[in-house]
Parts: sequence; C-alpha cells; structure tokens
Amino acid sequence: RKEVEQDPGPFNVPEGATVAFNCTYSNSASQSFFWYRQDCRKEPKLLMSVYSSGNEDGRFTAQLNRASQYISLLIRDSKLSDSATYLCVVNPAYSGAGSYQLTFGKGTKLSVIP
Amino acid sequence: GAVVSQHPSRVICKSGTSVKIECRSLDFQATTMFWYRQFPKQSLMLMATSNEGSKATYEQGVEKDKFLINHASLTLSTLTVTSAHPEDSSFYICSAGSGVQRGGYTFGSGTRLTVV
Repeated sequence: RKEVEQDPGPFNVPEGATVAFNCTYSNSASQSFFWYRQDCRKEPKLLMSVYSSGNEDGRFTAQLNRASQYISLLIRDSKLSDSATYLCVVNPAYSGAGSYQLTFGKGTKLSVIP
Repeated sequence: GAVVSQHPSRVICKSGTSVKIECRSLDFQATTMFWYRQFPKQSLMLMATSNEGSKATYEQGVEKDKFLINHASLTLSTLTVTSAHPEDSSFYICSAGSGVQRGGYTFGSGTRLTVV
C-alpha cells in the first residue's frame, strides 16, 4: 500500500460546482496533514492544514478521520482559478528537533470548465 | 512570509557534466532544507534532508555520490548533480523551514533540469 494515496482524477467540473477529493494514508502514527496546490510546472503551495475537528477556509473545507486514516478536501462554488493539481501531504513522523519531513500523494488534477 | 529562492529555474546541460542548484532562505534561517525530485505526472519524492553543519541524510535509492548536498550556512543549501545523464532530467525543488512552522514549509520555485 502506498504511503499516501489519492483519487486518480482528473476531475473536470463546471464553474460553480462542488468537488471533493479524498486521500488515504498508511502510517497510523502520522502527525500532521495538509493539502497543497500545485500549478503546472510550479512549486507546491500550502493550501491548508487539516485538523481532526475539521477546518474551513472560505470555499475550502478539509476533514480528517484518524480512525479510517482518511483526509478529504471539499471545494464549493468552483472557480476557473481553482484549476490545479491538489496534493495530499502527510507528515509521517517527527524527524528530529525542529524539522518535519513530508510525504506527498501523486495529486489529483482539477480542471474547472467555463 | 518566508521566502525561498531557488536558482537556476531552468538548465540544459550535456551528459556527463555537473549542475549545481542553489536554494536560499531569504528572510529566515533554515536549519533544515529538503530536496525533492518530481518526474512528469508523478508525486514529489524526497531525495535528501539537508541539515546545516552536518551531512545530509539521503533517502533509500538516492546516490549520495551523485547528488552532492552542501548546507554550509543557515541560509544556503546546494544540490550538485554530478555526471548528469538524461534519466536525471526532472524538476528539482527545495523546501526550507525554520522548524517553527508545521508543514508550512516554503518551497523554492524549482529547477527544471534537462540533460541532453
């Protein structure tokens, strides 16, 4: 089983649609969880952290289910500018004082169509 | 916010030559920097962890003699791809953090290496 697995995608949705991405992770000791966004040929950028209680940032809602080792990202009212690849990212373990390593999923590509 | 500068953004080199990529933290001190590689349509794969003042830690399958990492100061880490081959062509990205952020590591803009 891969460390971080995501929906294969691509997701092609019309503007205004709601779209959900799922992600599972294999290491039950993982401590931190994030969604990153990566535009074509660009570096990843942090979209939001994911907390057990769930968290929302505008049109974006992230959920974490530690028992099922499952993370989700919901995007409401999709915009053309949301088109990108969304990366599920997990910090598998604390790697030393003051440092964290990240494990990336392959990403799910989203295309929002006019 | 934290800014990481990576240079060059794009490089084309001949097989057998070496290429150096620089990663600088501009407004903070980075005790740890990470070097990733991303092949087309693949996920970012951690190559090595660079710690200031000590030897880098390489991930399994990454040749330390081929990918030389130097983290001589708290603001600069370099990755040198030695004796480059076409299969080394990839997108190399560094990230850095001061150890305070959780997961919010800042990424450099990446270096697209093409070996011909």
